[in-house]
Amino acid sequence: AQSVSQHNHHVILSEAASLELGCNYSYGGTVNLFWYVQYPGQHLQLLLKYFSGDPLVKGIKGFEAEFIKSKFSFNLRKPSVQWSDTAEYFCAVNAPKNSGAGSYQLTFGKGTKLSVIP
Amino acid sequence: EAQVTQNPRYLITVTGKKLTVTCSQNMNHEYMSWYRQDPGLGLRQIYYSMNVEVTDKGDVPEGYKVSRKEKRNFPLILESPSPNQTSLYFCASSLDWRDTQYFGPGTRLTVL
Repeated sequence: AQSVSQHNHHVILSEAASLELGCNYSYGGTVNLFWYVQYPGQHLQLLLKYFSGDPLVKGIKGFEAEFIKSKFSFNLRKPSVQWSDTAEYFCAVNAPKNSGAGSYQLTFGKGTKLSVIP
Repeated sequence: EAQVTQNPRYLITVTGKKLTVTCSQNMNHEYMSWYRQDPGLGLRQIYYSMNVEVTDKGDVPEGYKVSRKEKRNFPLILESPSPNQTSLYFCASSLDWRDTQYFGPGTRLTVL
């Protein structure tokens, strides 16, 4: 089964600091990649996604992510965080399942909690 | 308004009492899925449905059932709930398996 690793469990930053959250996945074939955000008490929302083309993807609220195929990575970045970015961030990978043909599964990482101090 | 709805939002029940959590989407999406979210474990997929004809197990299907009799609904059934199924459950839908998933508001289930 595929796996998704997020390296940081909890990141604490001051406002205006730069952010980079790591994400690595295990599947060696073609994948679709996502970053979702979950603000406190809310459901998950899409930040950005990569399907193909330019490996540098821009999302909402100034976030961006870079797909590096050789490193199986899809790291999330933001040049200057704000207090309102306090949330939990999830990397997710959509790829074929090991079982039957035509079955695909979205696998999430365990999430990274970001706390931004004003 | 395009949305995924779940009911109930909160539920406290006892071991062994069958329950159903409903999920409905109004976006004509083919793909629907159920996840559970537990602290430190992230989201884990329980079941998913590629379309009304295809349903398959996710990573943690034990103790759960689903059905997809029509495109818009995808209920999650716990035939005999146990305390280890206490969790936050999310339903999601997308146009197809590759596309962005839209999540419901979540159902917080406590099994005593």
